[in-house]
Formats: sequence, structure tokens, C-alpha cells
Amino acid sequence: DIQMTQSPSSLSASVGDRVTITCRASQGIRNDLAWYQQKPGKAPKRLIYAASSLQSGVPSRFSGSGSGTEFTLTISSLQPEDSATYYCLQHNNYPPITFGQGTRLEIK
Amino acid sequence: QVQLVQSGAEVKKPGASVKVSCKASGYTFTSYDINWVRQATGQGLEWMGWMNPNSGNTGHAQKFQGRVTMTRDTSISTAYMELSSLRSEDTAVYYCARAYGDYDYWGQGTLVTVSS
Repeated sequence: DIQMTQSPSSLSASVGDRVTITCRASQGIRNDLAWYQQKPGKAPKRLIYAASSLQSGVPSRFSGSGSGTEFTLTISSLQPEDSATYYCLQHNNYPPITFGQGTRLEIK
Repeated sequence: QVQLVQSGAEVKKPGASVKVSCKASGYTFTSYDINWVRQATGQGLEWMGWMNPNSGNTGHAQKFQGRVTMTRDTSISTAYMELSSLRSEDTAVYYCARAYGDYDYWGQGTLVTVSS
């Protein structure tokens, strides 16, 4: 199975900061990657699909990039409501699906 | 609008089984796979398996071999996930999700607590 390595596992940043989260795949997955935001007690919410396509209704400060084995989620100007845990998901060889381990983002 | 509505929280004893339902609305139920994902408290997301509601074909992660059964009732657009031989480590929130590649819609989650 394809393994996804997500980093960092946690980070703390200030409002207005630029934040980057990375996922690396154990083998090439083209652009078969999505990013999700999860807040406590809630189901994950898709932010980005096909590595770089912004989900409708998601603020434009969120962006995704990458292809093959390395992918990045960027928040251009951090807002208080962005405090959450973020996950990547690969579906290149569905099934199975593989998730990254998650990144807990705290606002200072 | 697309919705996946799951059944309510369950408390089970070790060794018992649990069956979680996921009722779909707002789209053609048989056109998209349903996947199941679980999350233990404070932990990450764990993929459990998939089901094609049209064919009824299923598959699951190796660690659930022999313990998980995924079924559906197309007449009521509902998917089911049954997990047997429950142990304390199965305490988690269980999610269904609509799959078309990745997941665009998720159920609200069902907390399953396994405790003696």
C-alpha cells in the first residue's frame, strides 16, 4: 500500500502568518491527493482536491500544490478560524485510501 | 443537497457486534461508492473499507479481515457497516463517506464505545 508521510505533526502560528503543510507519498500518485480540515467533534471537510483544485466555498487563502510524491497545503494568511487538524488523503490506487497522520494547527 | 446521515451512538460489550447505518440523500445512491473510516479519540483517520452500492461489491483493510461486513439496501438508499468481535480498541467514531476518488461528502459520525 502507498504510505503518506505528513509533516509537521503540529505547529503554532500567528494570525496573518503563511503556513505550509507537506505530504510525501511512498510512490508516485500523480495528482490523486486531497486535503481536509477537521475541527473537534466534526467530520473532515474537503479543502482541496486533485492536489490543487479549491473546493467550492473554501476561502482562497487555502491552496494546494504538487504532483507525484510531494504535495503542499498552504494557508496564505492564517485566520483564527483555521485552528484545526489537517489531513492529506491519497486515492491513486483506490481502493485502498491512505491518510496522512495529520497536522494539528494552533493559533498563537 | 447531498447528505449522509448516520445512526446514533452505540455502547457495546467486548465480543459483541455493532451495525452502523448511513442514509444517503440528494443524489443517486448507486452511482458512488460508500467508504467507511474510523477515528479513535485523539487519533488520526483510519480507512476501513469500501462498498459499491450498485453491485454490492465490497473490500476492506486487512486488519478488519473476518470482522467487518458492509451491506446496503438500495430501496432506502442506506449503507451499513457491521463490526463483530468488538474489543476496547474499536472504541472510535465511525464515518461513512461518499467516494469518487477522494471523499466529497461525509456522514456526521457515529460514536461506538466498547466497554464492559
